[in-house]
Amino acid sequence: AQTVTQSQPEMSVQEAETVTLSCTYDTSENNYYLFWYKQPPSRQMILVIRQEAYKQQNATENRFSVNFQKAAKSFSLKISDSQLGDTAMYFCAFMKGAGNMLTFGGGTRLMVKP
Amino acid sequence: GAGVSQSPRYKVAKRGQDVALRCDPISGHVSLFWYQQALGQGPEFLTYFQNEAQLDKSGLPSDRFFAERPEGSVSTLKIQRTQQEDSAVYLCASSRSGQGADEQYFGPGTRLTVT
Repeated sequence: AQTVTQSQPEMSVQEAETVTLSCTYDTSENNYYLFWYKQPPSRQMILVIRQEAYKQQNATENRFSVNFQKAAKSFSLKISDSQLGDTAMYFCAFMKGAGNMLTFGGGTRLMVKP
Repeated sequence: GAGVSQSPRYKVAKRGQDVALRCDPISGHVSLFWYQQALGQGPEFLTYFQNEAQLDKSGLPSDRFFAERPEGSVSTLKIQRTQQEDSAVYLCASSRSGQGADEQYFGPGTRLTVT
């Protein structure tokens, strides 16, 4: 079974600064996908960024980028130029193979302060 | 287009009552997932459909939980004889093809409170 661990229950950052959220996972699979999801207070989960394990290049989406360290089984999310709208719960998630269920970490609550 | 919708948004049930939670996925999406999210925790997988076929129900916590998707679109999660530990937000998600790193689109959830 896969496990996903987010060791930072809560974090805060000043507006316009950069913050990094940590995620580690445990798996014996070689083919998998990793995701970061954002859950604002309204509770609808939104995909932030995804990474295929077979790709060495780290994924980026505008202000969001990941640091994927496959050997270390680490998948951190960097948010640059933080905005007030980034305030939310952030979940790291693992998908074994293609089109399968997601295994989520416990989440990190991020507060962006003005 | 319309996203994933769920109804009701909130449900209060007395212990022992049966409840039915509905999920309308994005039109044309092949895969549909149900997750349970306890307060302050990450979602946990319950069950998965590809069209009308339930391919994985390993996450259902007991035989009181039952899910169906008879025509391959709308899905219903039914909980019989509800218990207090069933109190949680139930999230539904759908994805286009069930292949590759398909994004799962989530609904707003149904918050179930068992009193």
